Amino acid sequence: DGGITQSPKYLFRKEGQNVTLSCEQNLNHDAMYWYRQDPGQGLRLIYYSQIVNDFQKGDIAEGYSVSREKKESFPLTVTSAQKNPTAFYLCASISTGTGNTIYFGEGSWLTVV
Amino acid sequence: ILNVEQSPQSLHVQEGDSTNFTCSFPSSNFYALHWYRWETAKSPEALFVMTLNGDEKKKGRISATLNTKEGYSYLYIKGSQPEDSATYLCAFSDSGGGADGLTFGKGTHLIIQP
Repeated sequence: DGGITQSPKYLFRKEGQNVTLSCEQNLNHDAMYWYRQDPGQGLRLIYYSQIVNDFQKGDIAEGYSVSREKKESFPLTVTSAQKNPTAFYLCASISTGTGNTIYFGEGSWLTVV
Repeated sequence: ILNVEQSPQSLHVQEGDSTNFTCSFPSSNFYALHWYRWETAKSPEALFVMTLNGDEKKKGRISATLNTKEGYSYLYIKGSQPEDSATYLCAFSDSGGGADGLTFGKGTHLIIQP
């Protein structure tokens, strides 16, 4: 079945460490996104990529980095520069052919210990 | 940063009752308004995408309306069932078509009480 796969589902990180969250899609979508959710907040855009080898900062990009070497993959690295990395992270991709519906992965919980 | 507001933040409804909640969004540079249903530990599920002023969409007991001139959308649930318990998110895309990301509200957390 087509979809978006995020891994890991749960991740614990020590302070000062970089961690990478994986996002893979087999929907043949051009555009991919990373969102973050904190308690009591809406989804906030971290980074997005509309095409391979190109990506743009979202509203809260500081302390994060991404790459888009393949259409299917859009990994997110949470660097040690991110002050409050504990959050729920959602990866998504968009189908421009069906009213721009956005499809989501199941999310990754990151906790800094 | 665009502002998308949802109200109420949370809602308790008795099983069998009907309910509705609101999403307000910028009325300028409008492209589309999306509604998603998000259950705990699952991916958000797309309910509706609406683009035209006056649009009304229906999916089973759930329906939505759109007013782009005043910048609001209503989501209605008729005869609420326990399985309707979820967080309902609305999201706005501007004239960029959403390719640069949707702007989400904080959601309405709906709890249906048996």
